[in-house]
Amino acid sequence: DGGITQSPKYLFRKEGQNVTLSCEQNLNHDAMYWYRQDPGQGLRLIYYSQIVNDFQKGDIAEGYSVSREKKESFPLTVTSAQKNPTAFYLCASSLYTSGGITGELFFGEGSRLTVL
Amino acid sequence: QQQVKQSPQSLIVQKGGISIINCAYENTAFDYFPWYQQFPGKGPALLIAIRPDVSEKKEGRFTISFNKSAKQFSLHIMDSQPGDSATYFCAASISGGYQKVTFGIGTKLQVIP
Repeated sequence: DGGITQSPKYLFRKEGQNVTLSCEQNLNHDAMYWYRQDPGQGLRLIYYSQIVNDFQKGDIAEGYSVSREKKESFPLTVTSAQKNPTAFYLCASSLYTSGGITGELFFGEGSRLTVL
Repeated sequence: QQQVKQSPQSLIVQKGGISIINCAYENTAFDYFPWYQQFPGKGPALLIAIRPDVSEKKEGRFTISFNKSAKQFSLHIMDSQPGDSATYFCAASISGGYQKVTFGIGTKLQVIP
């Protein structure tokens, strides 16, 4: 079955440590995204990537980094520079159409990061 | 700056009742308005979407009403069921090139028996 796989589902980290969240998709989608979800704040875009080896900052990119070496993969690193990293992180992907991205996002099941 | 404003943040509805969630947007360039449904511990999934050339779209018990002049749209869930209990996000995006989707803050719906 096609879909988006995020791992790990739960992750605990000590302050000062970097952590990398994995996101893999087999939908053959061009674009991939990372969102952060906090209660009462909705979904906020961290980074997005349109094609391999290219990515753009979203609204809250500070303290995060990404790479897009393969079409299927878009890992997110939460660095020690992120002031408040405890959150639910969601990876998503979408198709590119001739009229541009339609806005239909396919999400993974998320990774919950807790900083101790 | 919140480009898509969603209300209420939480909603409790009796089983069989109508759930109504409202959203307003500012950017008139938005031309695609999806609603996402999220169950606890899961990622959101597309529920229903509308483009501004129609005023209403219905899929089963779910209806989107769209008012272009007021820059508002809403989700109506008819005959609400306990299984509808979830968080609902409205969103907006622009076609024609790679654009990011802007989400509302979400509405946590609880349908009580």
